[in-house]
Amino acid sequence: GDSVTQMEGPVTLSEEAFLTINCTYTATGYPSLFWYVQYPGEGLQLLLKATKADDKGSNKGFEATYRKETTSFHLEKGSVQVSDSAVYFCALTLNQGGKLIFGQGTELSVKP
Amino acid sequence: DAGVIQSPRHEVTEMGQEVTLRCKPISGHNSLFWYRQTMMRGLELLIYFNNNVPIDDSGMPEDRFSAKMPNASFSTLKIQPSEPRDSAVYFCASSLGGRAPRETQYFGPGTRLLVL
Repeated sequence: GDSVTQMEGPVTLSEEAFLTINCTYTATGYPSLFWYVQYPGEGLQLLLKATKADDKGSNKGFEATYRKETTSFHLEKGSVQVSDSAVYFCALTLNQGGKLIFGQGTELSVKP
Repeated sequence: DAGVIQSPRHEVTEMGQEVTLRCKPISGHNSLFWYRQTMMRGLELLIYFNNNVPIDDSGMPEDRFSAKMPNASFSTLKIQPSEPRDSAVYFCASSLGGRAPRETQYFGPGTRLLVL
């Protein structure tokens, strides 16, 4: 079935370090791909998305490129801040307007 | 603009009691989703509606769970009777529906349910 696999956390980095969170997917069709972020005690917020192969989503210094050949959508940021500490979820949808399938989430902790 | 509104934010109840969670989607959104988040199972979709009609309820765990959307601005998720294993954070999300970029889902703050 359709699924999303993320690298396991927690990931602990020092401020200004480079971040990569790996995400790969399995899908029967051509999904749209998303990264959502969840800050402590809050709901999920859309961070970025890409709807077709080779699209790059970007927001707040985060980037991810839709790689169809490797079925991946890795999240990157060049210089993380303490305020980026959160849980990051990779997700896909196959049915426009339909359900999201989430990865298990990766907890990021950034230390000053 | 107000985002997705959920109530209550926290609920503590005893096993066997009925629990009702409420959601008000963003005005103008056509699709509404109920998710459950637990440490063991992560985030899973329970049910979603499009134009107030349930489209996919395959994630509803069992008959104890039911969801309704009587109009475009209100939905409920009911658990009767509740069990300790229902303890989780329940999120409601809404979207404009349809093709990208309309498909982006906006999440509410969640209801943290504890069943003793």
